[in-house]
Amino acid sequence: AQSVTQLDSQVPVFEEAPVELRCNYSSSVSVYLFWYVQYPNQGLQLLLKYLSGSTLVESINGFEAEFNKSQTSFHLRKPSVHISDTAEYFCAVSVVGNTPLVFGKGTRLSVIA
Amino acid sequence: DVKVTQSSRYLVKRTGEKVFLECVQDMDHENMFWYRQDPGLGLRLIYFSYDVKMKEKGDIPEGYSVSREKKERFSLILESASTNQTSMYLCASSLGTTQYFGPGTRLLVL
Repeated sequence: AQSVTQLDSQVPVFEEAPVELRCNYSSSVSVYLFWYVQYPNQGLQLLLKYLSGSTLVESINGFEAEFNKSQTSFHLRKPSVHISDTAEYFCAVSVVGNTPLVFGKGTRLSVIA
Repeated sequence: DVKVTQSSRYLVKRTGEKVFLECVQDMDHENMFWYRQDPGLGLRLIYFSYDVKMKEKGDIPEGYSVSREKKERFSLILESASTNQTSMYLCASSLGTTQYFGPGTRLLVL
């Protein structure tokens, strides 16, 4: 079975500072990796995903994540955050060839002006 | 754009009531999912379906059932609601690797 650990439940950061949200996974088979974002009172939206190929993936709003197979990690980074990035971020994994996602418990990012 | 809609944003029910949560997607997706989201626990999979009239148990199916009579609609049923089923319920659909989520239904069971 797969599992996902998000090491920080809450991350406060000042506006324009860099941020890293950590995600580690456990699986005995190849996986796909995802980051979803949930803004207040909304459903989840896909932020970025790793399926294969380049281990560095980027989103349209400046986030990036790097798949590290040896460390079984998929940390999310942004070099300069905005107030509008305040949200809850979920890391998720699915087994290649199968679609149910296993989610981490989430990290609440709070950007402070 | 993919659109996943859920019948209610907020719902208040009494213990023992039968509760129906409806989810509709407009992209002809094969796969549909129901999750519940609780603070500190993330999202947990209740049931999913790969096709009409097919269903698979997820990680926490106890106390729930589902129905998929049409491809676009996936219903979650609480046969006899209990207070520990107070939660946010999220529906999702997918064709390939990416799941698309509805806005969620916040259910309060009194």
